[in-house]
Amino acid sequence: NAGVTQTPKFRILKIGQSMTLQCTQDMNHNYMYWYRQDPGMGLKLIYYSVGAGITDKGEVPNGYNVSRSTTEDFPLRLELAAPSQTSVYFCASSWGPTGELFFGEGSRLTVL
Amino acid sequence: DQQVKQNSPSLSVQEGRISILNCDYTNSMFDYFLWYKKYPAEGPTFLISISSIKDKNEDGRFTVFLNKSAKHLSLHIVPSQPGDSAVYFCAAKGGTSYGKLTFGQGTILTVHP
Repeated sequence: NAGVTQTPKFRILKIGQSMTLQCTQDMNHNYMYWYRQDPGMGLKLIYYSVGAGITDKGEVPNGYNVSRSTTEDFPLRLELAAPSQTSVYFCASSWGPTGELFFGEGSRLTVL
Repeated sequence: DQQVKQNSPSLSVQEGRISILNCDYTNSMFDYFLWYKKYPAEGPTFLISISSIKDKNEDGRFTVFLNKSAKHLSLHIVPSQPGDSAVYFCAAKGGTSYGKLTFGQGTILTVHP
């Protein structure tokens, strides 16, 4: 029962570097989400997907890109890392719009 | 504009007593509310939810109350246990939100033995 798996768990980037946060779920959920959590703040939605090939922006999409080529995978791409993107990133999935969200363990990213 | 607010950053409770965590919201389109629990270095896990057509939902030691007129919900934990020590997030969704949740800032609950 892997659920939602995120890699890497930790990463340090230099300003201007690029990277991809990987997210895979094995529950056959159609809906997937990327959230970020800054210290003392709630989770804010970056991007979401309602199925393979369909993605849309959330509350804080600037500086990020996503793709959804399969039901299982929903990678998050940072093209030009900035210190403001230092955060903990959570991937989540749900079976539908009314179902509860299942979260991964998070990826802690530091941009220096 | 924070649509979901948890105004208490932290709460400290003695083991065996009641813990009450509060949450306020401003968006009248929200029709489903959830509480998530988060331990350090882990992702949030679902705890309990309530639909806007109800005013109370109970699951073991956890009860969520919803007051729609006040746009307020609360989570009661009775009796509190040291293992309940975690960050608790209130979340809401509604309308054509495609399952997207709007989260509060979280409340750190500490239960002392």
